[in-house]
Amino acid sequence: EVQLVQSGAEVKKSGESLKISCKGSGYTFSDYWIAWVRQMPGKGLEWMGVIYPGDSDTRYSPSFQGQVTISADKSINTAYLQWSSLKASDTAIYFCARLDGDEGDGFYFDPWGQGTLVTVSS
Amino acid sequence: SYVLTQPPSVSVAPGQTARITCGGNNIVSKSVHWYQQKPGQAPVLVVYDDTDRPSGIPERISGSNSGNTATLTISRVEAGDEADYYCQVWDSSSDHYVFGIGTKVTVL
Repeated sequence: EVQLVQSGAEVKKSGESLKISCKGSGYTFSDYWIAWVRQMPGKGLEWMGVIYPGDSDTRYSPSFQGQVTISADKSINTAYLQWSSLKASDTAIYFCARLDGDEGDGFYFDPWGQGTLVTVSS
Repeated sequence: SYVLTQPPSVSVAPGQTARITCGGNNIVSKSVHWYQQKPGQAPVLVVYDDTDRPSGIPERISGSNSGNTATLTISRVEAGDEADYYCQVWDSSSDHYVFGIGTKVTVL
């Protein structure tokens, strides 16, 4: 079974750093892009960026470029999302998801991790 | 950048049909994917490539795409279908992934 398991909920203060993780299993982790998606409280889904663990090629949404860093360690089948200085507005649930599909038919997100709740207090 | 437009909410009685639209400029030229998200849970893919269903998704859920509108149709609606539904495309010109704002389906 293809599965993504994310790290647990975090409570941080403004200005602190944070790195959350997403571990894949049940497939060849290096061969599929991993995406990160933000969901702010009561709001919709926002694509943040993607990484190809095979060579660490990374693409960011313009809205998140410079705000977060996406990385991966293919040796342990894990992708990461990190912040160097959190803000209260970073409070949200963060999902990772595997990208499937192709350039001909487009890419979709399947499956998703269970989500990591990040709460940042000011 | 490419924009997807969804109605914020749709209400439907049990046993009836819910239709959730997703508008975009010449959206027929793109593959549209749909996700169901129930409260407190991660999204789940219910339709991909306009019309295909992943294994485990009931045949009552179907998708279509024509002109400037893609549609997710839920037939014989049940209480368990109550959720938020999001459409999504990959915009090849920008290499960006775009979500609609989501539609909350309420079963009356």
